[in-house]
Amino acid sequence: AQSVTQLDSQVPVFEEAPVELRCNYSSSVSVYLFWYVQYPNQGLQLLLKYLSGSTLVKGINGFEAEFNKSQTSFHLRKPSVHISDTAEYFCAVVFHSGGSNYKLTFGKGTLLTVNP
Amino acid sequence: DSGVTQTPKHLITATGQRVTLRCSPRSGDLSVYWYQQSLDQGLQFLIHYYNGEERAKGNILERFSAQQFPDLHSELNLSSLELGDSALYFCASSVAGGAGANVLTFGAGSRLTVL
Repeated sequence: AQSVTQLDSQVPVFEEAPVELRCNYSSSVSVYLFWYVQYPNQGLQLLLKYLSGSTLVKGINGFEAEFNKSQTSFHLRKPSVHISDTAEYFCAVVFHSGGSNYKLTFGKGTLLTVNP
Repeated sequence: DSGVTQTPKHLITATGQRVTLRCSPRSGDLSVYWYQQSLDQGLQFLIHYYNGEERAKGNILERFSAQQFPDLHSELNLSSLELGDSALYFCASSVAGGAGANVLTFGAGSRLTVL
């Protein structure tokens, strides 16, 4: 079965520290990969996406992610976080098993808390 | 403002009741998706409509139903409400009909509390 695993449900870090939020998926089919962010009391918004091409993808607010096909991972990174980055982060994968057969699956989310 | 409008923002009701949540997609988007977000289940896909037609169903209970109208707005109807239906309900929209490489634009959500 196709699934998306976010390995950490909560990640606390100090301001200006680097952070990595991990995302793995299980599938042998083609994928499109997304990271969405949900700030408190708001809906989800797109942070970045990988569709094809360069495996290193840059997004908004200084975030980047790297697609690693062999490890079926799409980890999100930021070299120096701010208090305002405190939010829940969702990894989402579209599995494409051929033709018009697409399935979008979200991970359970990682709550990033940035402390002063 | 994402362009996706959801009403009401908050709703408190009693068990056994019926409620309707409304979503207006972003201008130009033909697809509407409904998701339920709760602490224990995370973000669960409920249903997807494209240009008025149902495209995909997820973990949607039989007590729940949805439709998309000719003007492309959508309504999610929740009936015989139970305590466990308390959650944040999100609507998202996209341009095309299939998930594909489409980016979903989410509304701010409707928070339902069942007492």
